[in-house]
Amino acid sequence: EPEVTQTPSHQVTQMGQEVILRCVPISNHLYFYWYRQILGQKVEFLVSFYNNEISEKSEIFDDQFSVERPDGSNFTLKIRSTKLEDSAMYFCASSERQGTMSYEQYFGPGTRLTVT
Amino acid sequence: GIQVEQSPPDLILQEGANSTLRCNFSDSVNNLQWFHQNPWGQLINLFYIPSGTKQNGRLSATTVATERYSLLYISSSQTTDSGVYFCAVRQGSARQLTFGSGTQLTVLP
Repeated sequence: EPEVTQTPSHQVTQMGQEVILRCVPISNHLYFYWYRQILGQKVEFLVSFYNNEISEKSEIFDDQFSVERPDGSNFTLKIRSTKLEDSAMYFCASSERQGTMSYEQYFGPGTRLTVT
Repeated sequence: GIQVEQSPPDLILQEGANSTLRCNFSDSVNNLQWFHQNPWGQLINLFYIPSGTKQNGRLSATTVATERYSLLYISSSQTTDSGVYFCAVRQGSARQLTFGSGTQLTVLP
């Protein structure tokens, strides 16, 4: 069964450094997402991406975040200058469609980011 | 925005026992998904169930969309079932899933 993959599984970085989290969505999916979960809290939506553009973002997704589909298979989340409060699990998801119809979002296993 | 409430917040079971987890939501939805977060933090897709009933091995789920709730049943629980179970919903044309706070399940040997 196709699945979303994420690399690395765990990344440790120093405050102020840039990090790039990578995701490979399911191959025939066109819509991509990033979510975040701070330890012990709910999973929160960050951003939705389609056709090389951000289609929706939350208030969490500020100027230090950016997303990109650099090639036909990868989808990345970049954090420009990491802060301690960016420490969290980051989940990538993809879907075949969007809109008002019912559809499933397929989640990857996550990348644990630790900022020291 | 839509509210998602899960109950109970914590559940401790002996191995072999059955359990029911509940997810209530405050408005009509066109997507409902159940996830299991294992002790390593990984999120595992369990069910996509905007309505009706589905079964996968020892797990099954039922969503009654008209009454705005979903149930996840775990039968003959095993220690590997431990972790947090999340319900997430999406309404209208929104792109984001809204997650509940989860049920922390601990299965004792």
